[in-house]
Amino acid sequence: DVKVTQSSRYLVKRTGEKVFLECVQDMDHENMFWYRQDPGLGLRLIYFSYDVKMKEKGDIPEGYSVSREKKERFSLILESASTNQTSMYLCASSLNRGHYGYTFGSGTRLTVV
Amino acid sequence: DQQVKQNSPSLSVQEGRISILNCDYTNSMFDYFLWYKKYPAEGPTFLISISSIKDKNEDGRFTVFLNKSAKHLSLHIVPSQPGDSAVYFCAASGRTALIFGKGTTLSVSS
Repeated sequence: DVKVTQSSRYLVKRTGEKVFLECVQDMDHENMFWYRQDPGLGLRLIYFSYDVKMKEKGDIPEGYSVSREKKERFSLILESASTNQTSMYLCASSLNRGHYGYTFGSGTRLTVV
Repeated sequence: DQQVKQNSPSLSVQEGRISILNCDYTNSMFDYFLWYKKYPAEGPTFLISISSIKDKNEDGRFTVFLNKSAKHLSLHIVPSQPGDSAVYFCAASGRTALIFGKGTTLSVSS
Protein backbone atom coordinates (compact mmCIF):
# COMPACT_ATOMS: atom_id res chain seq x y z
CA ASP A 1 0.00 0.00 0.00
CA VAL A 2 1.04 3.54 -0.70
CA LYS A 3 2.06 5.41 2.36
CA VAL A 4 1.90 9.17 2.62
CA THR A 5 3.66 10.49 5.67
CA GLN A 6 3.25 13.96 7.08
CA SER A 7 6.07 14.85 9.42
CA SER A 8 4.00 16.37 12.22
CA ARG A 9 0.55 15.52 13.55
CA TYR A 10 0.25 18.71 15.62
CA LEU A 11 2.06 22.02 15.36
CA VAL A 12 1.72 25.29 17.23
CA LYS A 13 3.39 28.32 15.68
CA ARG A 14 3.41 32.04 16.35
CA THR A 15 2.03 34.69 14.03
CA GLY A 16 4.67 35.81 11.55
CA GLU A 17 6.76 32.63 11.73
CA LYS A 18 7.79 30.80 8.58
CA VAL A 19 6.32 27.30 8.76
CA PHE A 20 7.30 24.19 6.84
CA LEU A 21 4.94 21.24 6.47
CA GLU A 22 6.60 18.16 5.04
CA CYS A 23 5.04 15.31 3.12
CA VAL A 24 6.72 12.16 1.80
CA GLN A 25 5.22 9.34 -0.27
CA ASP A 26 6.90 6.00 -0.86
CA MET A 27 5.36 4.65 -4.07
CA ASP A 28 6.91 6.76 -6.80
CA HIS A 29 3.71 8.69 -7.46
CA GLU A 30 4.00 11.57 -9.89
CA ASN A 31 1.25 13.74 -8.47
CA MET A 32 1.17 15.36 -5.05
CA PHE A 33 -1.34 17.74 -3.53
CA TRP A 34 -1.86 19.95 -0.51
CA TYR A 35 -5.38 20.56 0.80
CA ARG A 36 -6.66 22.24 3.91
CA GLN A 37 -9.76 21.13 5.74
CA ASP A 38 -11.90 23.55 7.72
CA PRO A 39 -15.28 22.96 9.37
CA GLY A 40 -18.10 23.78 6.98
CA LEU A 41 -15.71 24.37 4.07
CA GLY A 42 -14.59 20.85 3.20
CA LEU A 43 -11.26 20.20 1.51
CA ARG A 44 -9.80 23.07 -0.47
CA LEU A 45 -6.85 22.70 -2.82
CA ILE A 46 -3.85 24.90 -2.02
CA TYR A 47 -1.15 23.71 -4.43
CA PHE A 48 -0.34 20.64 -6.46
CA SER A 49 2.55 19.22 -8.42
CA TYR A 50 2.65 16.82 -11.37
CA ASP A 51 6.42 16.41 -11.41
CA VAL A 52 9.66 17.33 -9.72
CA LYS A 53 10.28 21.07 -9.67
CA MET A 54 6.81 21.64 -11.06
CA LYS A 55 4.04 23.36 -9.10
CA GLU A 56 0.61 24.74 -9.82
CA LYS A 57 -1.66 26.95 -7.77
CA GLY A 58 -4.89 25.51 -6.51
CA ASP A 59 -7.96 27.39 -5.35
CA ILE A 60 -6.49 29.10 -2.28
CA PRO A 61 -2.71 29.61 -2.78
CA GLU A 62 -2.45 33.02 -1.12
CA GLY A 63 -0.02 33.00 1.79
CA TYR A 64 1.49 29.66 0.80
CA SER A 65 4.28 28.35 -1.38
CA VAL A 66 5.52 24.85 -2.14
CA SER A 67 8.70 23.02 -2.97
CA ARG A 68 9.23 19.75 -4.79
CA GLU A 69 12.94 19.06 -5.17
CA LYS A 70 12.55 15.28 -5.12
CA LYS A 71 9.72 13.15 -6.49
CA GLU A 72 8.79 11.69 -3.12
CA ARG A 73 8.72 14.92 -1.14
CA PHE A 74 6.32 17.85 -1.37
CA SER A 75 6.66 20.67 1.14
CA LEU A 76 4.11 23.34 1.97
CA ILE A 77 5.51 26.63 3.23
CA LEU A 78 3.63 29.31 5.10
CA GLU A 79 5.73 32.38 4.41
CA SER A 80 4.43 34.36 7.39
CA ALA A 81 1.92 32.42 9.44
CA SER A 82 -1.35 34.11 10.34
CA THR A 83 -4.19 33.04 12.61
CA ASN A 84 -6.49 32.41 9.63
CA GLN A 85 -4.10 29.68 8.55
CA THR A 86 -5.01 27.63 11.62
CA SER A 87 -6.35 24.49 10.00
CA MET A 88 -5.95 20.78 9.27
CA TYR A 89 -3.50 20.35 6.38
CA LEU A 90 -3.73 17.22 4.28
CA CYS A 91 -1.18 15.97 1.78
CA ALA A 92 -2.17 13.49 -0.94
CA SER A 93 -0.53 11.67 -3.81
CA SER A 94 -1.77 9.84 -6.90
CA LEU A 95 -0.11 7.70 -9.52
CA ASN A 96 -0.38 9.97 -12.55
CA ARG A 97 -2.61 12.43 -14.31
CA GLY A 98 -6.09 11.07 -14.75
CA HIS A 99 -5.66 8.69 -11.84
CA TYR A 100 -8.01 9.81 -9.15
CA GLY A 101 -7.23 7.32 -6.43
CA TYR A 102 -5.68 9.79 -4.07
CA THR A 103 -3.91 8.51 -0.98
CA PHE A 104 -3.93 10.96 1.87
CA GLY A 105 -1.60 11.40 4.79
CA SER A 106 -2.91 11.56 8.34
CA GLY A 107 -2.88 15.33 8.36
CA THR A 108 -1.15 18.07 10.32
CA ARG A 109 -3.25 20.11 12.72
CA LEU A 110 -1.63 23.55 12.67
CA THR A 111 -2.52 26.19 15.23
CA VAL A 112 -1.19 29.71 14.75
CA VAL A 113 -1.30 31.84 17.89
CA ASP B 1 -18.95 29.05 -6.85
CA GLN B 2 -19.25 25.55 -5.43
CA GLN B 3 -18.99 22.91 -8.12
CA VAL B 4 -19.60 19.98 -5.78
CA LYS B 5 -22.32 20.39 -3.17
CA GLN B 6 -23.25 18.29 -0.20
CA ASN B 7 -26.25 20.10 1.15
CA SER B 8 -26.75 18.02 4.28
CA PRO B 9 -24.08 18.75 6.89
CA SER B 10 -25.19 15.82 9.02
CA LEU B 11 -27.21 12.62 8.98
CA SER B 12 -28.26 10.37 11.85
CA VAL B 13 -29.25 6.75 11.24
CA GLN B 14 -29.94 3.74 13.40
CA GLU B 15 -27.74 0.69 13.14
CA GLY B 16 -29.01 -1.76 10.52
CA ARG B 17 -30.91 0.86 8.55
CA ILE B 18 -29.93 2.42 5.24
CA SER B 19 -27.81 5.58 5.10
CA ILE B 20 -28.19 7.75 2.00
CA LEU B 21 -25.71 10.55 1.44
CA ASN B 22 -26.33 12.96 -1.41
CA CYS B 23 -24.13 15.05 -3.64
CA ASP B 24 -24.88 17.49 -6.47
CA TYR B 25 -22.50 18.92 -9.02
CA THR B 26 -22.67 21.69 -11.55
CA ASN B 27 -20.05 20.85 -14.16
CA SER B 28 -21.24 18.41 -16.79
CA MET B 29 -17.62 17.83 -17.87
CA PHE B 30 -16.78 15.89 -14.71
CA ASP B 31 -16.00 12.33 -15.78
CA TYR B 32 -15.30 10.57 -12.50
CA PHE B 33 -16.77 10.75 -9.03
CA LEU B 34 -15.49 9.41 -5.73
CA TRP B 35 -16.52 9.11 -2.12
CA TYR B 36 -14.02 9.43 0.70
CA LYS B 37 -14.53 8.68 4.37
CA LYS B 38 -12.73 10.56 7.13
CA TYR B 39 -12.39 9.83 10.82
CA PRO B 40 -11.26 12.58 13.21
CA ALA B 41 -7.49 13.12 13.30
CA GLU B 42 -6.99 10.89 10.25
CA GLY B 43 -6.67 11.54 6.55
CA PRO B 44 -9.56 10.73 4.19
CA THR B 45 -9.63 7.20 2.82
CA PHE B 46 -11.05 6.18 -0.53
CA LEU B 47 -14.38 4.40 -0.31
CA ILE B 48 -15.93 3.93 -3.75
CA SER B 49 -15.97 5.58 -7.16
CA ILE B 50 -18.01 5.72 -10.34
CA SER B 51 -17.27 6.68 -13.90
CA SER B 52 -19.63 9.06 -15.66
CA ILE B 53 -20.46 6.35 -18.20
CA LYS B 54 -22.06 4.20 -15.52
CA ASP B 55 -25.08 4.77 -13.33
CA LYS B 56 -24.29 2.39 -10.49
CA ASN B 57 -21.32 0.87 -8.76
CA GLU B 58 -21.48 -1.52 -5.85
CA ASP B 59 -18.88 -2.68 -3.36
CA GLY B 60 -20.16 -4.74 -0.47
CA ARG B 61 -22.40 -2.59 1.72
CA PHE B 62 -21.66 0.51 -0.34
CA THR B 63 -23.40 1.50 -3.57
CA VAL B 64 -23.01 4.72 -5.49
CA PHE B 65 -25.70 5.87 -7.91
CA LEU B 66 -25.14 8.49 -10.58
CA ASN B 67 -27.92 10.46 -12.30
CA LYS B 68 -26.19 12.50 -14.97
CA SER B 69 -29.28 14.29 -16.18
CA ALA B 70 -29.88 15.58 -12.66
CA LYS B 71 -26.17 16.04 -11.95
CA HIS B 72 -26.69 14.10 -8.76
CA LEU B 73 -25.01 11.17 -7.08
CA SER B 74 -25.76 9.34 -3.89
CA LEU B 75 -23.99 6.89 -1.62
CA HIS B 76 -26.06 4.14 -0.04
CA ILE B 77 -24.77 2.20 2.94
CA VAL B 78 -26.74 -0.93 3.80
CA PRO B 79 -26.83 -1.99 6.56
CA SER B 80 -25.33 0.90 8.45
CA GLN B 81 -22.95 0.09 11.30
CA PRO B 82 -21.66 2.23 14.18
CA GLY B 83 -18.17 2.06 12.65
CA ASP B 84 -19.53 3.91 9.63
CA SER B 85 -19.82 7.05 11.74
CA ALA B 86 -17.48 9.51 10.03
CA VAL B 87 -17.41 12.48 7.67
CA TYR B 88 -18.11 11.53 4.05
CA PHE B 89 -16.77 13.66 1.22
CA CYS B 90 -18.02 13.55 -2.32
CA ALA B 91 -15.39 14.43 -4.95
CA ALA B 92 -15.37 15.01 -8.69
CA SER B 93 -12.49 14.97 -11.15
CA GLY B 94 -11.77 18.55 -12.13
CA ARG B 95 -9.43 19.79 -14.82
CA THR B 96 -6.43 19.58 -12.57
CA ALA B 97 -7.34 17.87 -9.32
CA LEU B 98 -10.22 16.43 -7.34
CA ILE B 99 -12.84 18.93 -6.23
CA PHE B 100 -14.41 18.06 -2.90
CA GLY B 101 -17.73 18.88 -1.35
CA LYS B 102 -18.02 20.22 2.18
CA GLY B 103 -18.75 16.81 3.66
CA THR B 104 -21.61 15.13 5.51
CA THR B 105 -21.16 13.85 9.04
CA LEU B 106 -22.85 10.47 9.42
CA SER B 107 -23.74 9.24 12.89
CA VAL B 108 -24.90 5.65 13.25
CA SER B 109 -26.40 4.82 16.62
CA SER B 110 -26.63 1.32 18.03
